[in-house]
Amino acid sequence: QQQVRQSPQSLTVWEGETAILNCSYENSAFDYFPWYQQFPGEGPALLISILSVSDKKEDGRFTIFFNKREKKLSLHIADSQPGDSATYFCAASRPQVVGQLTFGRGTRLQVYA
Amino acid sequence: NAGVIQTPRHKVTGKGQEATLWCEPISGHSAVFWYRQTIVQGLEFLTYFRNQAPIDDSGMPKERFSAQMPNQSHSTLKIQSTQPQDSAVYLCASSLVWSQNTLYFGAGTRLSVL
Repeated sequence: QQQVRQSPQSLTVWEGETAILNCSYENSAFDYFPWYQQFPGEGPALLISILSVSDKKEDGRFTIFFNKREKKLSLHIADSQPGDSATYFCAASRPQVVGQLTFGRGTRLQVYA
Repeated sequence: NAGVIQTPRHKVTGKGQEATLWCEPISGHSAVFWYRQTIVQGLEFLTYFRNQAPIDDSGMPKERFSAQMPNQSHSTLKIQSTQPQDSAVYLCASSLVWSQNTLYFGAGTRLSVL
């Protein structure tokens, strides 16, 4: 059973549009949700994260919306740029369980100029 | 700051051979993690060290896989008698002890078992 699910598997947007990447989870004990960005040939890099006590987190063009009741969150990338083309992973972890992130399968984003 | 350094970047082994993967964490980071990434399974947690001590190896296959951290500047992941299903990208990550869920990943070692 996959504990963290992401959709869509792949997404294509035009430069300047807002890309919306979705994530849902099964385990109510998850309280920390980081999003990682991965370019080909590189390791994942932390992009933005949110704790379950918040419903929104912004960092520049990147915003996480979090709905604890529905166990859903989404990453919005505003004014998408070709350089944002990458795979994005939603992850989750439980309190006191250090470093053991449960990752979704990722969304491959392609931004066309 | 060079980030987490993993060597080699690519390793090809024959079935049944041993593979040793190396990781140098970011200086000052006292937590080190190993993950495995495959197309089929995605990113999977393998094991975790804090201050060089093994803390959690719940993701490690019980046979053939072992990890060590002999000093604060490097960790190794050893796979004995490699099998084709071990082919994957093995990722090492490190973090500060007071921010242990903020992981900084290396570029990974791509292991191909023929």
